[in-house]
Amino acid sequence: QKEVEQDPGPLSVPEGAIVSLNCTYSNSAFQYFMWYRQYSRKGPELLMYTYSSGNKEDGRFTAQVDKSSKYISLFIRDSQPSDSATYLCAMGPGGSYIPTFGRGTSLIVHP
Amino acid sequence: DAGITQSPRHKVTETGTPVTLRCHQTENHRYMYWYRQDPGHGLRLIHYSYGVKDTDKGEVSDGYSVSRSKTEDFLLTLESATSSQTSVYFCAISEPARQLYGYTFGSGTRLTVV
Repeated sequence: QKEVEQDPGPLSVPEGAIVSLNCTYSNSAFQYFMWYRQYSRKGPELLMYTYSSGNKEDGRFTAQVDKSSKYISLFIRDSQPSDSATYLCAMGPGGSYIPTFGRGTSLIVHP
Repeated sequence: DAGITQSPRHKVTETGTPVTLRCHQTENHRYMYWYRQDPGHGLRLIHYSYGVKDTDKGEVSDGYSVSRSKTEDFLLTLESATSSQTSVYFCAISEPARQLYGYTFGSGTRLTVV
């Protein structure tokens, strides 16, 4: 079992839908939780990060961490076609304080 | 991507040849990383550097070497390219205080080994 599990998708939704992207993990030492967005043929870019449990909101994006269940989520409200991308979760600290990445979930928002 | 440049962007090479990929940054960040990204595997760490001449291996370092003689440059060398090294390679940088949540990635190098 990988330390971080993420369904690769693709997840296809209509424009305006609420999207929920999720990751589970097994290492209870993880304290930092990140979401990266990666457009096709581009490098990942940091979208949001949270420390420990709780929620964090940034515009249409909300990151949620449930450490008791070892489960993190990214919610996108009023999804737009421009949100179509691969979303990677990452968390740490891992060995040498390098975060561990999930495999990414491909999201398609169709007009 | 602002402050971090990977070269070349695309390369096709033959099996058995050495290949060097370059990552150049203008942010003066101390930490630099090389990842490869493959379908079904996500991002996997190859090597990383915490400063000039200070490098270490990641989870998939076999067949790769790195060098960092200047803060701004981190080179990844495939000593004798194999088809299994066909991949997209990403460089990333971070500051020590943001190591856990502040990576900036380059745009990637798409390498094909034939």
